Amino acid sequence: SQQGEEDPQALSIQEGENATMNCSYKTSINNLQWYRQNSGRGLVHLILIRSNEREKHSGRLRVTLDTSKKSSSLLITASRAADTASYFCATDAKGAQKLVFGQGTRLTINP
Amino acid sequence: NAGVTQTPKFRVLKTGQSMTLLCAQDMNHEYMYWYRQDPGMGLRLIHYSVGEGTTAKGEVPDGYNVSRLKKQNFLLGLESAAPSQTSVYFCASSSHRGDNEKLFFGSGTQLSVL
Repeated sequence: SQQGEEDPQALSIQEGENATMNCSYKTSINNLQWYRQNSGRGLVHLILIRSNEREKHSGRLRVTLDTSKKSSSLLITASRAADTASYFCATDAKGAQKLVFGQGTRLTINP
Repeated sequence: NAGVTQTPKFRVLKTGQSMTLLCAQDMNHEYMYWYRQDPGMGLRLIHYSVGEGTTAKGEVPDGYNVSRLKKQNFLLGLESAAPSQTSVYFCASSSHRGDNEKLFFGSGTQLSVL
């Protein structure tokens, strides 16, 4: 069973617009991470947010975490064609031995 | 610095054949993982290892075996391949568990079982 559920499953926007993806999870976590996967490639770590943090930034990425709602969002500002990829959240649940990945959001940036 | 390397990149098997996927990492990481990725299913953990000589089952271990004889290598074996094992397999590694865990992934192995 999946711990993280991303929403939407697919998102298509114009270059320059902002993209927002959401992740909901079920149990208490130590941290939540976001990864990007370009077509035909492995996943690449983007950002990690700990359970005691509410917001984190990295370049054009902004991640928020609401532990009361068990949800997180990833915002990509000023999107570029190169941002076209699938984005996955992964949760590090308390007491668990491994990360659990969601099903991903497929983001398409149209030129 | 190669990171995580998977071999082979592509493979086609007939039902019942066996094969081994090799994962090698050069970052001296303790933890290694094998995931499979299927359309609409995200990544599911098959087996993992928390150190040389150790292995443990993940979410979908049936039909697979693993070995971690050397710290840098993590092998995934299919003893008798089935069409349901057609998937893309990813190996990953991390330095340790805890708040700073971050996975490094290989580029994947696309396996088709006919």
